[in-house]
Amino acid sequence: SQTIHQWPATLVQPVGSPLSLECTVEGTSNPNLYWYRQAAGRGLQLLFYSVGIGQISSEVPQNLSASRPQDRQFILSSKKLLLSDSGFYLCAWSGLVDEQFFGPGTRLTVL
Amino acid sequence: AQSVTQLGSHVSVSEGALVLLRCNYSSSVPPYLFWYVQYPNQGLQLLLKYTSAATLVKGINGFEAEFKKSETSFHLTKPSAHMSDAAEYFCAVSSGGSYIPTFGRGTSLIVHP
Repeated sequence: SQTIHQWPATLVQPVGSPLSLECTVEGTSNPNLYWYRQAAGRGLQLLFYSVGIGQISSEVPQNLSASRPQDRQFILSSKKLLLSDSGFYLCAWSGLVDEQFFGPGTRLTVL
Repeated sequence: AQSVTQLGSHVSVSEGALVLLRCNYSSSVPPYLFWYVQYPNQGLQLLLKYTSAATLVKGINGFEAEFKKSETSFHLTKPSAHMSDAAEYFCAVSSGGSYIPTFGRGTSLIVHP
């Protein structure tokens, strides 16, 4: 069966520090991968998606970036965090046009 | 183009009462429709999905939803609410071969004893 992992589960970082969040998927090949963010009390905001290794599409221009170095690995990064980057970050994968499977999320607090 | 509207950011029901969460969609082609549930500090979990088979879809935890093309709706229902149903619920649409679903803003279900 397929599983999706995210780490760390929680993170507290100072403003201006770098960020690296990792997501890995097991049990499937060539998944579509997604990064979402939820601000407190808000809905889902799609940040990036990827349909293959090295293929990244950005939905929202900001100080975040994403990379997909391996088929089942998706990384969200920032060189310098802003206060507004605080939120709950979710990684997800999907097949073709079917449902998405979400990871457990990373709670990021930028102080 | 596709869009989703969830009516009501908060819905409050008593334990044992009917749950009705509303979702209307817009899509230029036949859609796939989904309901997800999110418990606090967790990822989203699929409740049910419609992919052009039966219009009445049954999901987990006693939830079901009916696809009504004429009303462009996909409302989520459960006959009797449990305290454990308290969570955030998201409706989503995917259509036209797109692998980018559109999510609604979510509805918070509050269940009173």
